[in-house]
Amino acid sequence: KQEVTQIPAALSVPEGENLVLNCSFTDSAIYNLQWFRQDPGKGLTSLLLIQSSQREQTSGRLNASLDKSSGRSTLYIAASQPGDSATYLCAVDHNQGGKLIFGQGTELSVKP
Amino acid sequence: GAVVSQHPSWVICKSGTSVKIECRSLDFQATTMFWYRQFPKQSLMLMATSNEGSKATYEQGVEKDKFLINHASLTLSTLTVTSAHPEDSSFYICSASSGGAETQYFGPGTRLLVL
Repeated sequence: KQEVTQIPAALSVPEGENLVLNCSFTDSAIYNLQWFRQDPGKGLTSLLLIQSSQREQTSGRLNASLDKSSGRSTLYIAASQPGDSATYLCAVDHNQGGKLIFGQGTELSVKP
Repeated sequence: GAVVSQHPSWVICKSGTSVKIECRSLDFQATTMFWYRQFPKQSLMLMATSNEGSKATYEQGVEKDKFLINHASLTLSTLTVTSAHPEDSSFYICSASSGGAETQYFGPGTRLLVL
C-alpha cells in the first residue's frame, strides 16, 4: 500500500531564507508526483508536477526534484516571502488513474 | 488554468438531514471527477472517483449509500451526504480532469458542519 510522508510537519523561517520541504513515498512505482499549496480553509493550488521520467521541475522560485528509486521528492523555495506561508502538500499518482495519495503536509510560516 | 467551482462554500445543517454539494468545471469537460475529504489538521483522503455517465468507484471504508455521487454531465458532479451526523463534519474538496491520468484541477472546497 502506497504511503506518503512529509517532513517536517511545520516549519517557521525568517523572510529571505531558502528552504527545503521533504516528501517520501513507500512504493517507487509512481506515475507522477505533484506539489500543492493550500491556504487555510481553501482548496488546492497545483505548484509543480513531475512525471516519473523526470528528475525536476522549476517554476519561478520553486524547484521540485524527484528521485524515484529512493522514494523521495523535495520542494526547494528560494528567497522565501511572507506570502509563501501556507500548507504544502505532496501527492503521488500511483496507478495512472488519477487517484492521488497525499502526504500530511508541511505547514510553512515565513516571518517578516 | 482550468477553473473548478464548488457550491455551497460552507453549510451548517442539523443531524439527520441530507446535504448536496455541487462541483462544476467551468471551462473544460471533466470526464473524471474526484471527491476528497479533509479533517482538521489532516491531509486529503480520496473518497470516490466518478466518470461521467458511470457509477462512482468508492474507496475502501467509504459508504456508497451514505455518500451518493452523481456525475450526469461533463461539467457537473454532485455529492450528497445522506442523513448527516456530526462525525461527517469535514472539508469536502472535489477535483476534475479531462481524463483519469490528466492534470486535476481542484475546487475551493465546501465546509460542512453538522450540529
